[in-house]
Amino acid sequence: DGGITQSPKYLFRKEGQNVTLSCEQNLNHDAMYWYRQDPGQGLRLIYYSQIVNDFQKGDIAEGYSVSREKKESFPLTVTSAQKNPTAFYLCASTPRDRLNQPQHFGDGTRLSIL
Amino acid sequence: AQSVTQPDIHITVSEGASLELRCNYSYGATPYLFWYVQSPGQGLQLLLKYFSGDTLVQGIKGFEAEFKRSQSSFNLRKPSVHWSDAAEYFCAVVNSGGYQKVTFGTGTKLQVIP
Repeated sequence: DGGITQSPKYLFRKEGQNVTLSCEQNLNHDAMYWYRQDPGQGLRLIYYSQIVNDFQKGDIAEGYSVSREKKESFPLTVTSAQKNPTAFYLCASTPRDRLNQPQHFGDGTRLSIL
Repeated sequence: AQSVTQPDIHITVSEGASLELRCNYSYGATPYLFWYVQSPGQGLQLLLKYFSGDTLVQGIKGFEAEFKRSQSSFNLRKPSVHWSDAAEYFCAVVNSGGYQKVTFGTGTKLQVIP
């Protein structure tokens, strides 16, 4: 079955360390998204990509970076500049970046500070 | 700017009772609206969507939602709740600003008691 795979499920970061969250999809979707989820705040968009080798900042991109070298993969790096990285991170995708396309979600990565 | 309000942070219902989760949106044009469900530690799963046409939409797991333009609402309903429905529910609206920008509500956590 097709879907979105996020790994690892749990991740711990030390002070001053960069960590990378993986997101892989085998749905042949063009558009991919990264969200951050904090309790009581819903989901906030970090970065999105509509096509390979192109990505755009979302609402809370500071302290994060992404790449989109392959259609299937959209890794997110949480840099040391992100001072409050503890959160649940969700990756999503849609076939096209169209309004009527619901987003498909992975099962998330929970990032904590050591 | 678009926004979504879910006024109830937490709702408790008895198994077998009816359920209504409230969602109010703010958007200038005809909105594209979604309801998602999230089980603990998981990603979001689409329950139903509204784009146009019939204002009462049916979704998976016996859920339905009614779009009321005059009230800017898109409330989710289920006639008889099952214990497995305990989860967090998110309402979302999609804009037309050049890419699929999805604004999520802050979620309603549903507890089901025997």
